Amino acid sequence: AQRVTQPEKLLSVFKGAPVELKCNYSYSGSPELFWYVQYSRQRLQLLLRHISRESIKGFTADLNKGETSFHLKKPFAQEEDSAMYYCALNAGNMLTFGGGTRLMVKP
Amino acid sequence: ETGVTQTPRHLVMGMTNKKSLKCEQHLGHNAMYWYKQSAKKPLELMFVYNFKEQTENNSVPSRFSPECPNSSHLFLHLHTLQPEDSALYLCASSQDRGYGNTIYFGEGSWLTVV
Repeated sequence: AQRVTQPEKLLSVFKGAPVELKCNYSYSGSPELFWYVQYSRQRLQLLLRHISRESIKGFTADLNKGETSFHLKKPFAQEEDSAMYYCALNAGNMLTFGGGTRLMVKP
Repeated sequence: ETGVTQTPRHLVMGMTNKKSLKCEQHLGHNAMYWYKQSAKKPLELMFVYNFKEQTENNSVPSRFSPECPNSSHLFLHLHTLQPEDSALYLCASSQDRGYGNTIYFGEGSWLTVV
């Protein structure tokens, strides 16, 4: 069975500091990985997906199949990045979410 | 309105009540989902419909009963719920269940069972 682990429930950084939100997965096949974000009082929305290999709002994530990781990174955090971030794995047409990490960016 | 719309946004119900949550998507998608989000657990997939057919039931208790009359609408019928069922219920949709499809979420329905 597939599983997604986000080891940090809360990550607090100062504005301008680098950010790395960790995500590890377990799945025996070819995974499709996503990062979703939920800003305060807003709906859960897609941030990025590994097959696009794009940067959204300054965030990037690289799939590392050897380490089964898909960490989300941003070199300089902004206050507006404060939100709940979920890593998700689409394996066998079933989207499984991690427990989420709350990112707080302090001024 | 575009996207995925859920009603009601907030619902308080007693354990003996029967109520329903409604979801409507205006994206032309063929797959729709119900997820449960609570403080204690990560997002849990409850049900999946693809082309109006239920394809997943993630061991959900029978007090939750989904209905998908067409590809644009999805209901979650609730009866004899327990206080631990209080949570945010999220509806979502995607083009279909294939690899590479993005899932779009509604804003959710906050359910409180008293």
